[in-house]
Amino acid sequence: GAGVSQSPSNKVTEKGKDVELRCDPISGHTALYWYRQSLGQGLEFLIYFQGNSAPDKSGLPSDRFSAERTGGSVSTLTIQRTQQEDSAVYLCASSLVKGGGNSPLHFGNGTRLTVT
Amino acid sequence: LAKTTQPISMDSYEGQEVNITCSHNNIATNDYITWYQQFPSQGPRFIIQGYKTKVTNEVASLFIPADRKSSTLSLPRVSLSDTAVYYCLVGRLYNQGGKLIFGQGTELSVKP
Repeated sequence: GAGVSQSPSNKVTEKGKDVELRCDPISGHTALYWYRQSLGQGLEFLIYFQGNSAPDKSGLPSDRFSAERTGGSVSTLTIQRTQQEDSAVYLCASSLVKGGGNSPLHFGNGTRLTVT
Repeated sequence: LAKTTQPISMDSYEGQEVNITCSHNNIATNDYITWYQQFPSQGPRFIIQGYKTKVTNEVASLFIPADRKSSTLSLPRVSLSDTAVYYCLVGRLYNQGGKLIFGQGTELSVKP
């Protein structure tokens, strides 16, 4: 079946512009995560959505970053007034939350953002 | 949230068994241990998950001692295509909002 889809795969933008990154999770997955990965680094947690609950935004690095998830499915990560330090790969993951056990995360291939 | 510690890098040769150990001293009772593999320009991919003792699948084995404060991912007879970064993740989606924090990962290099 279809996996997690992210678009665009690459995005080059000028400093100060706003960007929107999109994530289409696996159908039926109620948990959705955004992570950021700078070159040669590990995964930095940004935000977590679970069903209709309020998202956990504790990883967002500044108020220039925001995310929403519409209808419990597609999610959009928005970065306003981009800075060069925002350059990274932005990864989205989804998971099927179920009683008992622990479902693994399924990742997309990310959006590579370059701020010039 | 359980913090994980792994070696930053490891080298191996084709055909050898590779064991990567992850420390997670403050693992919670309900936490699971999950390992992911990441190739360049791709998102991490699930390898194996366990709660206690030993788990084996077609790709790897996961050994978890009784105190669960560490875990070891074992890759039998590695090949060049196993060169990747391996992440240990400790947590559970139902636990305290489900925030899952990745460590820095172990960069495995398999040589011919």
